[in-house]
Amino acid sequence: EPEVTQTPSHQVTQMGQEVILRCVPISNHLYFYWYRQILGQKVEFLVSFYNNEISEKSEIFDDQFSVERPDGSNFTLKIRSTKLEDSAMYFCASSDWDQPQHFGDGTRLSIL
Amino acid sequence: QKEVEQNSGPLSVPEGAIASLNCTYSDRGSQSFFWYRQYSGKSPELIMFIYSNGDKEDGRFTAQLNKASQYVSLLIRDSQPSDSATYLCAVNRSGGGADGLTFGKGTHLIIQP
Repeated sequence: EPEVTQTPSHQVTQMGQEVILRCVPISNHLYFYWYRQILGQKVEFLVSFYNNEISEKSEIFDDQFSVERPDGSNFTLKIRSTKLEDSAMYFCASSDWDQPQHFGDGTRLSIL
Repeated sequence: QKEVEQNSGPLSVPEGAIASLNCTYSDRGSQSFFWYRQYSGKSPELIMFIYSNGDKEDGRFTAQLNKASQYVSLLIRDSQPSDSATYLCAVNRSGGGADGLTFGKGTHLIIQP
């Protein structure tokens, strides 16, 4: 069964550094998403992406965050200057039109 | 502010019994409703989705939706120890498109052997 893949599985970064999280959505899907889950808390929507542009973003997705689809398969989330509170699991998801979202295994981001 | 409320549990159910999980949501514009299962340290895994009022069955799982009451539930029949996990209720305004999901905090389900 096709799946969303995310790399790396764990990223450790010093506060203030830039980090890029990578995702390969399911190949025929058109819609891509990033979510985060702080330890012990609920899953929170960050941003959705369609047709090479952001469709929707939450209040969490401020100027520190950006997304890009650099080629036909990858979808990335960049955090420009990481803060301690950015430590969380980051999930990528993808979906086809009128279909549920499927999640990748996540990247655990640890900010030191 | 869109909110999805779930009882955090833990909900303890004997093996072989029916587990009943509930969820309410605040946004009357919500059109699509999802149940995801999340094992500790893992990602959400889609279990069921429902768009219309009433019941939808898939194997041991039944999702129930009542839009007038803004209420969604998930029934798990013949509960197995492997069903022990956190169950996340999620909603959005469309069945497709690029609408982000609003999640509840989840109900921690424990199936006792």
